[in-house]
Order: sequence, then C-alpha cells, then structure tokens
Amino acid sequence: QVQLQESGPGVVKPSETLSLTCTVSGGSISSYYWSWIRQPPGKGLEWIGYSSYSGSTNSNPSLKSRVTISVDTSKNQISLKLSSVTAADTAVYYCARSLIMGDYDALSLGYWGQGTLVTVSS
Amino acid sequence: DIQMTQSPSSVSASVGDRVTITCRASQGISSWLVWYQQKPGKAPKLLIYAASSLQSGVPSRFSGSGSGTDFTLTISSLQPEDFATYYCQQANSFPPTFGQGTKLEIK
Repeated sequence: QVQLQESGPGVVKPSETLSLTCTVSGGSISSYYWSWIRQPPGKGLEWIGYSSYSGSTNSNPSLKSRVTISVDTSKNQISLKLSSVTAADTAVYYCARSLIMGDYDALSLGYWGQGTLVTVSS
Repeated sequence: DIQMTQSPSSVSASVGDRVTITCRASQGISSWLVWYQQKPGKAPKLLIYAASSLQSGVPSRFSGSGSGTDFTLTISSLQPEDFATYYCQQANSFPPTFGQGTKLEIK
C-alpha cells in the first residue's frame, strides 16, 4: 500500500520561501501524477499544482508565479516551494497521488499524505 | 476557473437516515466529478470518482450520480462513522476546484 509523508518546517517567516518534501513509500513515483493541495485552518481545499511522472508541471494560476514543484525519482520524493509567503499561506499542506496510472483521470486524488501544518509568522 | 457549489453547507441527521448532498458546477464537466470524505484532523479520503464509480473499500451505502453540471452523493443508511465533512471536486480541467464542503452532523 502506497504511503505519502509530508515534511518540512512548521513555521516560515513572511516574505521567505516555504519548502516541503513528500516522501513516497510502498510504490514508485513513476507513472502517476503528484499534487499539492492546501487547507487553511477551518476552511476548504485549494489545489496548488502537480507534477506528472514525466516531469511536466502545472500550478494554480492564483499561485503560479510563486510555486515550484519537482519530482526526484531517485529518492521517491516530490517537493514544493512557495515563495514570498504571507499569513494567507498559513495552512495544512497535503501531497497526493492520482488514483490511476497515466494521463487519464490525472486529477482524481486516490492517496493522500497526512498533511503538515505550516504557519507563516515572524 | 470552474466554480463548484455544494448544498447544503451543513446537515443534521440520525443514524439510519438517508442523506443526499448536491454539487453544481458552473459549467459542464461531463462525469469528471470526485467526492471526498474528511474527518477532523485527517486528510480527505476519496469515496467516488468519475461521478458514480465507488472507490475500492468504500461501503456500498455510498453512491454518486449525475453528469454535466449537477451531481449528487447519497448515503443510504447513515452509520456513526459517516459523520464528517464531504467535498466535491471537478477533475475536468485545470485548476481542479473543490466545493466549499458539506458538514454532516449528528442530530
């Protein structure tokens, strides 16, 4: 059974870059889409972006200029960098995997990490 | 972006009740609709994909229907473990967008 685990600093200062890593165990990164989603405390879900198994990426236009997503197949890890953070970026950040292999239905999320809370505060 | 609107925002029900949650897309998304269940402090869990396909391991009391712009999630007989928040998400186009959530509470 595939498992995803997010890791990174729990507190980031305003204007700095938020950096998170998602480590995948029990399965390969290859052939799937890997996404980052966030959820501000007490609020709903927002899709940040994804990286495909081939390395192509796409980010939410609302965040696009600040987001970098990459995949390291040698380490079975997916990373997220979000630059110039503000208090509005305080949220639980989740990584997730597409339900099925390949390009078909890449945006249905079948497996999620437990999430990690990142607070933007000086 | 495609807007997803769920109703109701919250609902109170009893164990054994039948509950229906609706989700409306601001434009047609064919059957590219996913339903998730989220419990407090936990990650969302996929219940239904492609509008009506039940994810492996999900109880058969959960069902989904609809296409185009209007979709429903039905729980046929509520169990204690079903009290949670439910989200719909369109998987038709980027960026994927979620409904605001429906909180299912115990009456």
